[in-house]
Amino acid sequence: DTAVSQTPKYLVTQMGNDKSIKCEQNLGHDTMYWYKQDSKKFLKIMFSYNNKELIINETVPNRFSPKSPDKAHLNLHINSLELGDSAVYFCASSQGRLWGQRVFFGPGTRLTVL
Amino acid sequence: EDKVVQSPLSLVVHEGDTVTLNCSYEVTNFRSLLWYKQEKKAPTFLFMLTSSGIEKKSGRLSSILDKKELFSILNITATQTGDSAIYLCATVNSGGYQKVTFGTGTKLQVIP
Repeated sequence: DTAVSQTPKYLVTQMGNDKSIKCEQNLGHDTMYWYKQDSKKFLKIMFSYNNKELIINETVPNRFSPKSPDKAHLNLHINSLELGDSAVYFCASSQGRLWGQRVFFGPGTRLTVL
Repeated sequence: EDKVVQSPLSLVVHEGDTVTLNCSYEVTNFRSLLWYKQEKKAPTFLFMLTSSGIEKKSGRLSSILDKKELFSILNITATQTGDSAIYLCATVNSGGYQKVTFGTGTKLQVIP
């Protein structure tokens, strides 16, 4: 069974469109993240949620809006896509501060904006 | 701002060589340090280090943490072409809620 799953795996779209990426974890973790990995392979945190509550919001344009309907899901919606949004987006989860900090990653979503 | 710096940025070695990858950090409320290996897809977990001076080993890979000098190293002995990947170091802080900060990664290429 996949621990952290993301859909879609690939997303090709035009500038100006709105798109969503879904993420689900079945590990019972209480913390979920979105990371962006750019062409230089630098993995940068975008958001972190703990029990559906936003706890980290790095300097990300407000075109990016995360939504956590429950603690097993953290979706990412992107409005008015720009060329610079092209990257691989990784969802991840961890148990948080109580049980150790190992972070489990989803397979990634490769977003290409044309 | 929390900072994690890895060096070198990239490295090319021959099979059988030993490599040492470096990770230094400046993080508030440091809790632990993680090493990941990333090939074509998502990063896969290698080690979690919490205490100074205790070496963690897994086959040909080993890692150690120095909390006084604020760095960690990842050693790979007798490298193989399958070790070619990006190696990511990340720190975890414990201030309130967990925050994980990744370094830029070291791209390792092992040639036959």
